[in-house]
Amino acid sequence: EVQLVESGGGLVQPGRSLKLSCAASGFTFSNYYMAWVRQAPTKGLEWVASITNSGGSTYYRDSVKGRFTISRDNAKSTLYLQMDSLRSEDTATYYCTRGIGTYYFDYWGQGVMVTVSS
Amino acid sequence: DIRMTQSPASLSASLGETVNIECLASEDIYSDLAWYQQKPGKSPQLLIYNANSLQNGVPSRFSGSGSGTQYSLKINSLQSEDVATYFCQQYNNYRTFGGGTKLELK
Repeated sequence: EVQLVESGGGLVQPGRSLKLSCAASGFTFSNYYMAWVRQAPTKGLEWVASITNSGGSTYYRDSVKGRFTISRDNAKSTLYLQMDSLRSEDTATYYCTRGIGTYYFDYWGQGVMVTVSS
Repeated sequence: DIRMTQSPASLSASLGETVNIECLASEDIYSDLAWYQQKPGKSPQLLIYNANSLQNGVPSRFSGSGSGTQYSLKINSLQSEDVATYFCQQYNNYRTFGGGTKLELK
């Protein structure tokens, strides 16, 4: 059974940093692209970043470029999202997802809440 | 960016009824479209990809259709467990989601 378990969320002040982790199991992690998708409270979904299966290429939405870094450790079957210079508009539930290429997302974690507020 | 417009934003339907949800892209997305179901308090689940391919394990009462800029999700014989918010997502040019359609029981 595919499982994606996020951790690392919480309350952080604007301008500070936070690092999310996603532990994957139930599939060969190194064979799949992975991504982060977020959902602001009572809002819709927004793709944040994707990474290829090797980690050699990464993709970001414009609003997080230069502030967020997606990475992975295939030996540990873990996906990461380093979030720097956080803004109030980054407040959301962040979902770890398994990607079919960089296209769509066939499995989602339970989500982790990130609140950016002073 | 490609904009995805879903309609209606919300709808109410009776058990056993057929429901249609529409998704309009701001430009041709060549069937690069997925549909997700998000039940209250849960994470989204993939229903349909490539506009009309049913994800493994999804009941056959769900189906997708469309081409170009216009796509739809059809739910036949609505069940109580189908109460959820439904999102479309294009992946032809980066990835953008529709605003969602909240489906409730009448």
